Amino acid sequence: EPEVTQTPSHQVTQMGQEVILRCVPISNHLYFYWYRQILGQKVEFLVSFYNNEISEKSEIFDDQFSVERPDGSNFTLKIRSTKLEDSAMYFCASMMVSGGGGSSYNEQFFGPGTRLTVL
Amino acid sequence: DAKTTQPNSMESNEEEPVHLPCNHSTISGTDYIHWYRQLPSQGPEYVIHGLTSNVNNRMASLAIAEDRKSSTLILHRATLRDAAVYYCILRDGYSGAGSYQLTFGKGTKLSVIP
Repeated sequence: EPEVTQTPSHQVTQMGQEVILRCVPISNHLYFYWYRQILGQKVEFLVSFYNNEISEKSEIFDDQFSVERPDGSNFTLKIRSTKLEDSAMYFCASMMVSGGGGSSYNEQFFGPGTRLTVL
Repeated sequence: DAKTTQPNSMESNEEEPVHLPCNHSTISGTDYIHWYRQLPSQGPEYVIHGLTSNVNNRMASLAIAEDRKSSTLILHRATLRDAAVYYCILRDGYSGAGSYQLTFGKGTKLSVIP
């Protein structure tokens, strides 16, 4: 069964450093997402990406964050200058958009997550 | 997306049915009801979705009230592997060229007792 993969599983970094989190979405999917979950809190939407551009982003996704799909298979989240409060699990998700009206058939597939620890 | 209300936690005995309720009194006519779950230390996982009619799949059943202001996720026979946080999420099925992002609440933490 196809699945979303993420690397690394755990990333430790110093405050102010840049990190890149990597995701390989399911191959025929067209929408890509990043979510994050701070320990003990809700899963929060960060950004969606479709047709090589950002579709929507949340208030959390400020200028420190960027996303890229550099080679048609990987989908990356870059945090330019990490802060302590960026420590969280980061989940990548992908979705295949079916034809026709409505989104009833659009299940999002999530990866296992990358735990980012900022010291 | 409209708001949902779920109990913080529920318990079930193994091999017994579980009914997880969700209230969504402000649901609109085009909102689909989605359920996802998150097993410990894993990413969220799709469970089931529906619009008006009750739905069944290999994982669960979804019972939707006639007025659509509430729904119930039914696990027919709970196993230890079903211990997870279950999220009831409304998403507008006709949001046009939107991103179909999911808005997670706190969900219901289901504990399964052996």
